[in-house]
Amino acid sequence: GAVVSQHPSWVICKSGTSVKIECRSLDFQATTMFWYRQFPKQSLMLMATSNEGSKATYEQGVEKDKFLINHASLTLSTLTVTSAHPEDSSFYICSAKGGGADIQPQHFGDGTRLSIL
Amino acid sequence: GQNIDQPTEMTATEGAIVQINCTYQTSGFNGLFWYQQHAGEAPTFLSYNVLDGLEEKGRFSSFLSRSKGYSYLLLKELQMKDSASYLCAVIDSNYQLIWGAGTKLIIKP
Repeated sequence: GAVVSQHPSWVICKSGTSVKIECRSLDFQATTMFWYRQFPKQSLMLMATSNEGSKATYEQGVEKDKFLINHASLTLSTLTVTSAHPEDSSFYICSAKGGGADIQPQHFGDGTRLSIL
Repeated sequence: GQNIDQPTEMTATEGAIVQINCTYQTSGFNGLFWYQQHAGEAPTFLSYNVLDGLEEKGRFSSFLSRSKGYSYLLLKELQMKDSASYLCAVIDSNYQLIWGAGTKLIIKP
């Protein structure tokens, strides 16, 4: 149980392109989804938290107009990197957790490796 | 501020036991998670502790002492595939997850 699917796994594209990454919870309803970025040999960095049907909460220093997050349903969140540049190249990982009274662990997708040329 | 401390790197021998420590200073506490992350992959959930004591799950166990702000992950009968980073994360009073930087575990034959 608790499977999170993230697509695509790899993206290579030209500078200035917008890239959309999808994150789906396959066997549970994800009331909250998280988007992380991780540079090589560095820690996970939380970019934003999104709750279904409401606007995402962005961490300090993360440009909300650059990284558009949509969480339209209980099983799907998308991250769009707009007008991507080489410095946006990174490993982007989503995670999701269910609701309820108990504390739930975050379950991660497999990540998307983004390379901007 | 909020802080989670873990050793940066540890080395152990195949078949042995290793203990990875995590100390935390957070605004409140609502539980502690351990995750495993292989190089180039996303983290996978290992364990969750909210009460003091030891939680055992196969070769992996996790211990918590809330009064000391301390947890450890114990890995027994180490296998080469256990080479990975191990991340400690704490849920604070606002139910925000605070991540440690992770401990890179290197297993040698």
